[in-house]
Amino acid sequence: DADVTQTPRNRITKTGKRIMLECSQTKGHDRMYWYRQDPGLGLRLIYYSFDVKDINKGEISDGYSVSRQAQAKFSLSLESAIPNQTALYFCATSGFGRTGGDQPQHFGDGTRLSIL
Amino acid sequence: AQSVTQLGSHVSVSEGALVLLRCNYSSSVPPYLFWYVQYPNQGLQLLLKYTSAATLVKGINGFEAEFKKSETSFHLTKPSAHMSDAAEYFCAVSDTGSARQLTFGSGTQLTVLP
Repeated sequence: DADVTQTPRNRITKTGKRIMLECSQTKGHDRMYWYRQDPGLGLRLIYYSFDVKDINKGEISDGYSVSRQAQAKFSLSLESAIPNQTALYFCATSGFGRTGGDQPQHFGDGTRLSIL
Repeated sequence: AQSVTQLGSHVSVSEGALVLLRCNYSSSVPPYLFWYVQYPNQGLQLLLKYTSAATLVKGINGFEAEFKKSETSFHLTKPSAHMSDAAEYFCAVSDTGSARQLTFGSGTQLTVLP
C-alpha cells in the first residue's frame, strides 16, 4: 500500500462546483503539504500544515482552502472551481529523522483535476 | 527569497551517454538542495539531497550532484544514461535550514534515445 494516498486520482467537473481532494498518510509524519503542478511551472505550494492545529498559506492559496482532520489526513477544497484551476495536484508529507533534522518530502501519486 | 532555475526544459541524450541536468539557485542563507524525479502518472521521488555536508552527493540509480557555492549551482549528472532514466527531473531549494518549505524549478524532461 502507498504511504501517501490521494483520492480521487482523476476528476472532471464543471465550473462553479465545490470539489474536495483528499490525502491520507501512513508514514506518521507531522507535516503535510498541497502542491499544484502545471506544465512549465514546476510545483507550487498551495497550503501546508506542520501540525493538526497549524495551517499556513503557500505561494498560491487564493481560491483554495484546506482542512487537517487528523495527523494523517489533509484535504484540499476548491469552493467554486474555475477552469484555470485545472492542474495536477500533489500531496506531500515530511517528518523528523531518527538522528534529528527534517526528512525530505514524500509525495503521493497525484490527482489530475479538469474543470470544464 | 529563494528561487531555482533549471536550464533546458527538454534534454535528449543517447543511451550510454553522459546525463547533465542543470540547476542554479538563489538563497539568502545556506540552502538545502534536492533533486526529484517524476515518472509518468506518478508522484515525485527523491533522487538525492544536499544538506551542508559533503559537496558531492550520491543518489539513487547512479545519479550524483555537486554543490558549488561559488557558482550557486547544483547540477545533476549520471555517467551513462539508461532508457529507464527517461522522466522529468525537478530541482528544489529550501532556505529555511530544513525540508519544510521547498521552492521547485520548472523541471527538465529527459529523453533517452536508443
